[in-house]
Amino acid sequence: QVQLVESGGGLVKPGGSLRLSCAASGFTFSDYYMSWIRQAPGKGLEWVSYISSSSSYTNYADSVKGRFTISRDNAKNSLYLQMNSLRAEDTAVYYCARWIPDTRVDYWGQGTLVTVSS
Amino acid sequence: QSALTQPASVSGSPGQSITISCTGTSSDVGGYNYVSWYQQHPGKAPKLMIYDVSNRPSGVSNRFSGSKSGNTASLTISGLQAEDEADYYCSSYTSSSTLLVFGGGTKLTVL
Repeated sequence: QVQLVESGGGLVKPGGSLRLSCAASGFTFSDYYMSWIRQAPGKGLEWVSYISSSSSYTNYADSVKGRFTISRDNAKNSLYLQMNSLRAEDTAVYYCARWIPDTRVDYWGQGTLVTVSS
Repeated sequence: QSALTQPASVSGSPGQSITISCTGTSSDVGGYNYVSWYQQHPGKAPKLMIYDVSNRPSGVSNRFSGSKSGNTASLTISGLQAEDEADYYCSSYTSSSTLLVFGGGTKLTVL
């Protein structure tokens, strides 16, 4: 069965950096687009970034553009999110998700909490 | 402010039917048949319930159905059960650079 397991979250000071990882299993990782979606405490879902199956295409929400970088390693079945210049408003649970382009997010990880606070 | 507009809350009694709306524009909901719906229980990850407006993934109860008219999509849950109490989010493809937008979420309470 499809499994997505995030790691790397934690407490970081404003201006700091953090790298999230997502280990995928149960499907051919290299065949699928992947995405990061976040949810601030008590708030709704916000798409953050996506990456194509071969890493040829990436895209970012305006709120993170220039600060976050999405990447993947198909040999390791892993997805990453490098987050720099973190702000308090980046505090959220970050979900790794499998995205079928245009149509749907069909699988989600359990999420990893990132807290940006001094 | 979310790109898609949903009611903050809806409620219904067991056995009843409820409908949750999701209003966008011709650049997203109205322009494409790529609306999806997600169920999220407290502290859990979202789960795909409906995709491409009205399709159910394998394993999702047929009590859940989706439709669309103009710029508004709807999720209907019939025969409400206590386990349906959760937050529901709609999402749509958008012609903007982000490609994917979400609604603000609707809290369903089963009375």
